[in-house]
Parts: sequence; structure tokens; C-alpha cells
Amino acid sequence: ETGVTQTPRHLVMGMTNKKSLKCEQHLGHNAMYWYKQSAKKPLELMFVYSLEERVENNSVPSRFSPECPNSSHLFLHLHTLQPEDSALYLCASSQDSKGSSGNTIYFGEGSWLTVV
Amino acid sequence: DAKTTQPTSMDCAEGRAANLPCNHSTISGNEYVYWYRQIHSQGPQYIIHGLKNNETNEMASLIITEDRKSSTLILPHATLRDTAVYYCIVRVGRDDKIIFGKGTRLHILP
Repeated sequence: ETGVTQTPRHLVMGMTNKKSLKCEQHLGHNAMYWYKQSAKKPLELMFVYSLEERVENNSVPSRFSPECPNSSHLFLHLHTLQPEDSALYLCASSQDSKGSSGNTIYFGEGSWLTVV
Repeated sequence: DAKTTQPTSMDCAEGRAANLPCNHSTISGNEYVYWYRQIHSQGPQYIIHGLKNNETNEMASLIITEDRKSSTLILPHATLRDTAVYYCIVRVGRDDKIIFGKGTRLHILP
């Protein structure tokens, strides 16, 4: 138990569906992240939020739309995805988003997404 | 690109110490070295981090060379549950990016 909870753990969706992934952190952190892990590839950073403001968007296609309503919750809204978007989507949080402070990033268990 | 180099895979006998090396020759003075591991189908798990001094916690020890260009993660008494991919990461820049490389796949042998 890392204090970062993701739901659902598994999701199967069609290419025309709209779905959302949810992340909640119980650690009192101010920064939250979305990562993508495709089969046999390293984790890729998608989005970074600090105090509910998006501070990083790593050239992610617009069919992925993040939302951070408060510092404890993060969503990833999915729309018209492609089969190649099938992957493990990981949420993470840290105290803040400043790298040199040495604060640790904690990950959730991930949401397995299959696009059919 | 990840700023670290790790062996692709390693084997270690159960009960022995597992020593996982990492090279980070371009590390700058204020960058921390972090270690995570990922057991199959789970999210990455934080293990330990350090800046200059060696560190120890209930999971592992981290030995950082004096020039900080390399480090070693030590699991003192490896068990079968330690089989995982281990990632050595250097924090990049002020915006807290954590960039994962391919890591080392550690197999603990019974």
C-alpha cells in the first residue's frame, strides 16, 4: 500500500468509447503524475501537475485529457483511443514537483488498459 | 534519454547479497540517485535514494562512489520475492522529471 490508489485496475474499451482513469493519493502531496508503460518499453512520463496546475505535457496526443480538480485527485480522460494505446497507465505523487529537493515519487498499482 | 547505465539482467542465489551496479557519469552536484523496482504487473516501488553519502533502510543499502559517477544497490539477503526489474534513476532538472531506463532484471535463484 503506497497511498496512491488507481481505479479501475483493468479496463477494456472500444475505439469509439469515452472512459476515464481515476487516481487518488492519501499522502498530502502537492504534485501528481501520469506515466504510460507499453509492453517491453520503459515508463514514459505523460503529464505532471503541481498544485492542480499542469506543469508538464510530454507531447501527448489530445485523445488523452488529464484533469486535476484538487491536489488529491487526478483523472485521465480517454477518447477515441487506438489499439496501440493499450498499456499500463501509472499514477504517481510527490510532495512537490521540484526535482532537486530529493522528495520521493510514489506510484499506484496502475490501470491496465486494452483498446479493442 | 535516461542518464544511467545498468546491466540488462543479473542472477543471484537466494539468501545471498544482490549487488546491482549503476553508472551515472554525467550526474550533476544537486542530482539525487533513486532506486525503484517493479515486480511484474505492478507499479514501481520506491526502494532508496541518496545524494552523496551511503544510505541504508529496511529494504536495501545504497553505496555511492566518492566521485558520484556510479552507485550500487545492495539487497543484503535476497529472497524469491525480490525478483523484479530494478531501475536506477537520476533526477533531471528542477521540474522533477523521473526518466526510467530499461533497468536490470534481477532473477533470484532458489
